[in-house]
Amino acid sequence: DARVTQTPRHKVTEMGQEVTMRCQPILGHNTVFWYRQTMMQGLELLAYFRNRAPLDDSGMPKDRFSAEMPDATLATLKIQPSEPRDSAVYFCASGGQGVWEQYFGPGTRLTVT
Amino acid sequence: GENVEQHPSTLSVQEGDSAVIKCTYSDSASNYFPWYKQELGKRPQLIIDIRSNVGEKKDQRIAVTLNKTAKHFSLHITETQPEDSAVYFCAARPPSNTGKLIFGQGTTLQVKP
Repeated sequence: DARVTQTPRHKVTEMGQEVTMRCQPILGHNTVFWYRQTMMQGLELLAYFRNRAPLDDSGMPKDRFSAEMPDATLATLKIQPSEPRDSAVYFCASGGQGVWEQYFGPGTRLTVT
Repeated sequence: GENVEQHPSTLSVQEGDSAVIKCTYSDSASNYFPWYKQELGKRPQLIIDIRSNVGEKKDQRIAVTLNKTAKHFSLHITETQPEDSAVYFCAARPPSNTGKLIFGQGTTLQVKP
């Protein structure tokens, strides 16, 4: 049963610290999406990649957020420095060319104190 | 850009009753409409989807209908059970090859035993 995986599942950090979240897409999927979910905002698209190249990161605060896909099996989302307003659940999802569906990982619950 | 409106935001039904959630999209060229179910603390899970060349699709107790003229689509759940209680998200895919989805704001469904 192929699934998207994410690490860590939970992260508690202090304001100002760097946070790195990782995502492993389903094998063979070449598109990765990063979403942020808060109670107030629903599912907010931050950035997405195809074949490791960024397609759109307009939803992401550029001053502190960065997203990369160093290889086909790993996507990362970094926040530096983190702020309390970044507290949310961060999901990645994978899909692909010719693949209509998009499948979500279990999420990283981030708390910034 | 594409916009998806979802109604109602909350829905409470008695066990055994039917539930209907409606979404309206803005880009008439959108071609794919998935529905996700998210239980508390879990990932959004794809439960049913429909492509623009189909008017209706059923899977056991759930069905989705699409009205391209009116640019709206609906999720129907019959014979609701307490385990159907969750947040449901609709989404629409604008006409591009990126696979990007535009999500509605979610509907919290409560099924009372």
